[in-house]
Amino acid sequence: QSALTQPASVSGSPGQSITISCTGTSSDIGGYNYIAWYQQHPGKAPKLIISEVSNRPSGVSHRFSGSKSGNTASLTISDLQTEDEADYYCMSYTTTGTLFGTGTKVTVL
Amino acid sequence: QVQLVQSGAEVRKPGASVKVSCKASGNTFSGYYVHWVRQAPGQGLEWMGLINPNSGDTNYAQKFQGRVTMTRDTSISTAYMELTRLTSDDTAVYYCASLDDFDYWGQGTLVTVSS
Repeated sequence: QSALTQPASVSGSPGQSITISCTGTSSDIGGYNYIAWYQQHPGKAPKLIISEVSNRPSGVSHRFSGSKSGNTASLTISDLQTEDEADYYCMSYTTTGTLFGTGTKVTVL
Repeated sequence: QVQLVQSGAEVRKPGASVKVSCKASGNTFSGYYVHWVRQAPGQGLEWMGLINPNSGDTNYAQKFQGRVTMTRDTSISTAYMELTRLTSDDTAVYYCASLDDFDYWGQGTLVTVSS
């Protein structure tokens, strides 16, 4: 598997909630509990917003939450804000190393 | 607070090699692995591999095996990533990062492969 599968784009209006899925296999998402999510604004390095499936690092907004079911992980952004417009990547440990998702562009309408 | 500072932009011809450095300041290499991640223009993140700075053990993504070498010099708290037999598809920003809860990232190094 070359990358975990994410939707190319998701959009929502300010105040709404959106969910980004990240689908893998039993060799990655399904087999490990280290699933992370990164937010990347244009021209910047990625920033960790969720680790270990659902843990929010210190300083990350409570509007971000993560979950996992089987071979699919999900990131939910609640109360969508304009500053949430960015690219989002999931990441999972695998049997051979680490794998990123294909990336999702979030647009705030 | 650890900062990862990478070497500057590089331009190479196809077939050449490039070596990118990543220097840790603050708390050196204690307690985390150094991963290398690249991002081609307009594309997503791609994991290349990692090095354990303490032992020097490495784990490379299958795609890069045979073409990438990750090393470190603990005396100067610096990790290196060398990529050989470059093609235009290797044009990308290369990041070193901890990929853990510390969330340390270098500023990125643009490598351009062009004839």
